[in-house]
Amino acid sequence: DAGVTQSPTHLIKTRGQQVTLRCSPKSGHDTVSWYQQALGQGPQFIFQYYEEEERQRGNFPDRFSGHQFPNYSSELNVNALLLGDSALYLCASTPGPGVLAGELFFGEGSRLTVL
Amino acid sequence: QKEVEQDPGPLSVPEGAIVSLNCTYSNSAFQYFMWYRQYSRKGPELLMYTYSSGNKEDGRFTAQVDKSSKYISLFIRDSQPSDSATYLCAMSDLNQAGTALIFGKGTTLSVSS
Repeated sequence: DAGVTQSPTHLIKTRGQQVTLRCSPKSGHDTVSWYQQALGQGPQFIFQYYEEEERQRGNFPDRFSGHQFPNYSSELNVNALLLGDSALYLCASTPGPGVLAGELFFGEGSRLTVL
Repeated sequence: QKEVEQDPGPLSVPEGAIVSLNCTYSNSAFQYFMWYRQYSRKGPELLMYTYSSGNKEDGRFTAQVDKSSKYISLFIRDSQPSDSATYLCAMSDLNQAGTALIFGKGTTLSVSS
């Protein structure tokens, strides 16, 4: 049973560029959440997608956007990259949008470096 | 004041020691309390979760929640070198409704053999 898979694992971009990160949820899960984890910090919630719509959003600017596809996979897009966007981007999936403390599974993350 | 405070360490202990990891929080609405373990260059892995107050034990791990003090703990007994990782506490409240967990900064633990 595949867990949450993310791609790419590492990427390097320059300031002002745009990036797209991808996530496939765990089998049986239909809800995807994205988190940003800066070096030495805990993950910060970006947004949640369920039924192809953004259902919940954290304190992130509009430069951060997402999409969910009919097969429940998801993309995170970041426009006009800043140096401060350098972080590990984590995708997490759950079998539904509610708070399911024991069923939130994280992927390995995509490490973005902005130069 | 941040919603969740966690001492980043690092914490170094010898193999076999009892480890105590702690977080404090300010939002009294938090009801779900979780501990995640994160190895270097990996995603967080859920270790334990507790709803409301009380204790929960799973093998060598014990989670405690004291809502009156807004304080949660994770105890690791008979620590092993394989326990060396960053431990993250996370919380959420029922009103939030969703997967928007609030994490602490994480405590880095090193267990030497």
